[in-house]
Amino acid sequence: EVKLVESGGGLVQPGGSLRLSCAASGFTFRNYRMHWVRQAPGKGLVWLSCIDSDGSITGSADSVKGRFTISRDNAKNTLYLQMNSLRAEDTAVYYCAFATPAGKPYWGQGTVVAVS
Amino acid sequence: IQMTQSPSSLSASVGDRVTITCRASQNIDTYLNWYQQKPGKAPKLLIYASSSLQTGVPSRFSGSGSGTDFTLTISSLQPEDYATYYCQQIDSTLWTFGQGTRVEAK
Repeated sequence: EVKLVESGGGLVQPGGSLRLSCAASGFTFRNYRMHWVRQAPGKGLVWLSCIDSDGSITGSADSVKGRFTISRDNAKNTLYLQMNSLRAEDTAVYYCAFATPAGKPYWGQGTVVAVS
Repeated sequence: IQMTQSPSSLSASVGDRVTITCRASQNIDTYLNWYQQKPGKAPKLLIYASSSLQTGVPSRFSGSGSGTDFTLTISSLQPEDYATYYCQQIDSTLWTFGQGTRVEAK
């Protein structure tokens, strides 16, 4: 069974940092491009960043460029999101996700980040 | 790639047929997914690859389309279907989502 479990969220002051983790199991993690998506309270879903299977960073949304860094450890089957210079508008639920070549997506249950 | 979802909200009664559309700003083949989301919950995958029903999702949900125009249909709305629905394109490396459609009780 494919599982993605996010952790590392919490309450942080503006200007602070957090590192989110996404533990993957049930599939060959090293073979897949991975993504981070977030949803602010009462708002829609927003794609943030993705990283190729080999660790090449494929892209990031303008809203987080220069502040958030995606990375992965294929030996630990874990995806990361380092978030620096956090702002109130970064308050959201953060999800990790991937999709198979056939187009089927898999998501975690999310971790909550509150900046206040 | 921009995703334009419509309507942004609709009011419907139990038993109604509900249709939500999503238009991509460029050809995305069939790399289009639909999600249902209820307050405080993670998005739930309903349809992937435009028309493939996710395991466990009732058959009253269906999806269609290819290229730039896509449709999610609920053939007979049930009480548990009142929720917000999102489309998502994954053709591009940079995923994008529609703005959501809130389905409310009439």
